[in-house]
Amino acid sequence: TQLLEQSPQFLSIQEGENLTVYCNSSSVFSSLQWYRQEPGEGPVLLVTVVTGGEVKKLKRLTFQFGDARKDSSLHITAAQPGDTGLYLCAPITSGNTPLVFGKGTRLSVIA
Amino acid sequence: GAVVSQHPSRVICKSGTSVKIECRSLDFQATTMFWYRQFPKQSLMLMATSNEGSKATYEQGVEKDKFLINHASLTLSTLTVTSAHPEDSSFYICSAIPRTSDYGYTFGSGTRLTVV
Repeated sequence: TQLLEQSPQFLSIQEGENLTVYCNSSSVFSSLQWYRQEPGEGPVLLVTVVTGGEVKKLKRLTFQFGDARKDSSLHITAAQPGDTGLYLCAPITSGNTPLVFGKGTRLSVIA
Repeated sequence: GAVVSQHPSRVICKSGTSVKIECRSLDFQATTMFWYRQFPKQSLMLMATSNEGSKATYEQGVEKDKFLINHASLTLSTLTVTSAHPEDSSFYICSAIPRTSDYGYTFGSGTRLTVV
């Protein structure tokens, strides 16, 4: 079992600030996904990263996959209240295996 | 895109009764679906893997006789919480992978169960 650590667990910031959240493991991931979950909803896929060193951008969100494929980060520029939610990372193993999530980072962006 | 529908979205039941939660893949077939439970302020915890036409695989610590899973068709999996107690109150979420997608885990919108 790949043990995932996400940090910070909780983050409360003002609108317009930048932030970075992290997803780390001692194991190597073949690929990894980031999800955002809003209260009372299921998680929604944000991105899949598959190549070590890969950087993907989704509007104000920048995702990076570590060179060694053991860690990943999510950077949000100029956070907005709509970014509020639980950010989850999960490694992809193979085929029909289930996603096993880290504890997540609960982000609150205050207007 | 692939859509997973979960029903009901909210349910309140009395202690000792059973509750059935449905998870449907609306526009794709899913031989495998997954059930998660989420307590307040916590992450999603995998409960079981539901396999069409065969028995579900439960994670350690999850009582298979309490959480009955049936995956009788390629588009429907059900989770029945039997003899529910207040400690079973939680947010239950299902997920499925379309056959045509390598990475596309799609989640339902969840079911908020409150046992009183």
